[in-house]
Parts: sequence; structure tokens; C-alpha cells
Amino acid sequence: GAGVSQSPSNKVTEKGKDVELRCDPISGHTALYWYRQSLGQGLEFLIYFQGNSAPDKSGLPSDRFSAERTGGSVSTLTIQRTQQEDSAVYLCASSLQRNIQYFGAGTRLSVL
Amino acid sequence: SQQGEEDPQALSIQEGENATMNCSYKTSINNLQWYRQNSGRGLVHLILIRSNEREKHSGRLRVTLDTSKKSSSLLITASRAADTASYFCATEKSGGSNYKLTFGKGTLLTVNP
Repeated sequence: GAGVSQSPSNKVTEKGKDVELRCDPISGHTALYWYRQSLGQGLEFLIYFQGNSAPDKSGLPSDRFSAERTGGSVSTLTIQRTQQEDSAVYLCASSLQRNIQYFGAGTRLSVL
Repeated sequence: SQQGEEDPQALSIQEGENATMNCSYKTSINNLQWYRQNSGRGLVHLILIRSNEREKHSGRLRVTLDTSKKSSSLLITASRAADTASYFCATEKSGGSNYKLTFGKGTLLTVNP
């Protein structure tokens, strides 16, 4: 089947606006991860889902960030009241338990 | 410094040469993985080496793991211009939060034609 799909691929927003980023994992993958990558940097872990529950939200930078997953499939990362420092590429990955992670192409968020 | 640090930060070589990238980490691990990223977008898994393995091959890739030194190396032989990308190591810690991969900042490899 298809790989991990993320939408939109690019998002430009104004400071203070809310944004929603979507991730469609590979069918059957129970684990889903969100990462943030700033320019020229490594991946910063944000949140991990196992099924619909998020046992680890430790990487979310502030309470402006939230994520949910429904039906053990699609996940949405929401950033409220965006700030310029939120500008980054947001990557989603899915995996079967502890196996290899499969990444989407990411959403490039630019906050003006 | 963080778990999973690659060096060098950047490497520039000529096509046909070999490229070696290194990764160091701090904690005990279940496995170590190498990923490749083109143009700042999605990562692609290259190879996984378990903590009880010392060397693994996949095509032109050779990975070694030295758990006593907490280090790994990725060798790409007979490089091609298409190998130009950023390469990241990622570690899965043993015990506790063993679902999470910790990524380094990566090595930017440029292969000149």
C-alpha cells in the first residue's frame, strides 16, 4: 500500500493563527510519531502514539501544541497561536511496534 | 551533547570514493539505525544493526557497531552523485522507553561528479 502521507506539504500562516497538520500512516501500523526538524538540525521528538493513546507527549514544546489520533489511523497535530519559532518541517512516521520507522515527506510550516 | 551524534557534520568527496560517517551515543541500546534524508524532507531507513551484532552489509553500505565504545560507523563504497544527502543515526535505548528513536543532527554528504 501507500507510504506515510502528510498534508499539507507546505503551510504558510500568520503569527497568532492556528494550524492543523495531518498524517496518514501506513495501514496497520500501530505506532505513530511526530517530529520537528528545524533548518539544518536533527529530528526533535514531539509525541508518540500507540493506537489512539499517547503514552509519551514529553516532546511537545508548549501547551500550544496538541495532537490526537483517531481510529488507530489518522493523526492531527495542532499548533495554536503560532509563533515564528514554530517554523520548521514537521515529520510524521509510523511503525509496527518497535520496528523501523517509515517517514512521510513532512509539512514545511512557515509562520510570518 | 545528545544521544546519537554524527561526525563529521559535513563531508565532501568525489564520485567513486568511499564515504565514512561516524555516530556516538551515550546509553545502552537495543539497536542503532541509519537513515538518509534528501532535500530536508522525509527520512528513508537504510539499515538496522542490533546490539549483539558487530557488522552488517546492505549493497554498498557497511555498518559497524562497537558497543564498548558506544559508536557506529556507516561506510558507503563507490559513492555516486545520487548519494548526496544527509545521513542520520538513530538509537533505540534499551529498557524503559524502547519505542523511541533518538536522532543525531546528521552528516551532510556531498558527492561531486
